[in-house]
Amino acid sequence: DVVMTQTPVSLSVSLGNQASISCRSSQSLLHSDGNTYLSWYLQKPGQSPQLLIYLASNRFSGVSNRFSGSGSGTDFTLKISRVEPEDLGVYYCFQHTHLPLTFGSGTKLEIK
Amino acid sequence: QVTLKESGPGMLQPSKTLSLTCSFSGFSLSTSGMVVSWIRQPSGKSLEWLAAIDWDGDKYYNPSLKSRLTVSKDTSNTQVFLKITSVDTADTATYYCARADTMGISGDFDYWGQGVMVTVSS
Repeated sequence: DVVMTQTPVSLSVSLGNQASISCRSSQSLLHSDGNTYLSWYLQKPGQSPQLLIYLASNRFSGVSNRFSGSGSGTDFTLKISRVEPEDLGVYYCFQHTHLPLTFGSGTKLEIK
Repeated sequence: QVTLKESGPGMLQPSKTLSLTCSFSGFSLSTSGMVVSWIRQPSGKSLEWLAAIDWDGDKYYNPSLKSRLTVSKDTSNTQVFLKITSVDTADTATYYCARADTMGISGDFDYWGQGVMVTVSS
């Protein structure tokens, strides 16, 4: 199985500041079709996960441009600029290049 | 408008079979590219993908649980089912179903159900 390692485990950020989350996979996520199937999800308290970023760097419909994804191969980053109160929750990276599909262990974003 | 909703027994005893239903609307599982997956999350822990079924009836399982899992769909293509045999306390979790459109932008889970809590206890 592809292991997705996220750091940090938790993050406390002041409103208006930037947050950065790292995700490293145990195998390259570059698919033979040329796509890199790495996504980022946010799970707000008491809610189901919601898709933020797909194919490593594309924002899903309706997602604020304060969220940006980057990376390739095995190293990926999610950046949240100008953190707002509604950004709090747990962020998960996710890969669907290889079966079984796997999620990272999560990064909890708290607001200072 | 795409919606999914999970239903299940709430609580069951160890060694029993867990049966879950995902009822959805706003799309048909007979449409090319559509996939419904089951994902679970123990309280305070991360997400674990369990199984998926696609528009063609092909099924995919997490090998770690494969011998205990059966995913299926109904003939109207508006419900997906998951059975987990021989449950124990480690199967206590919130179970989600989620849709992916592999003919869409990326095949990611773009719609999720609200989740159903299942507790395994004697």
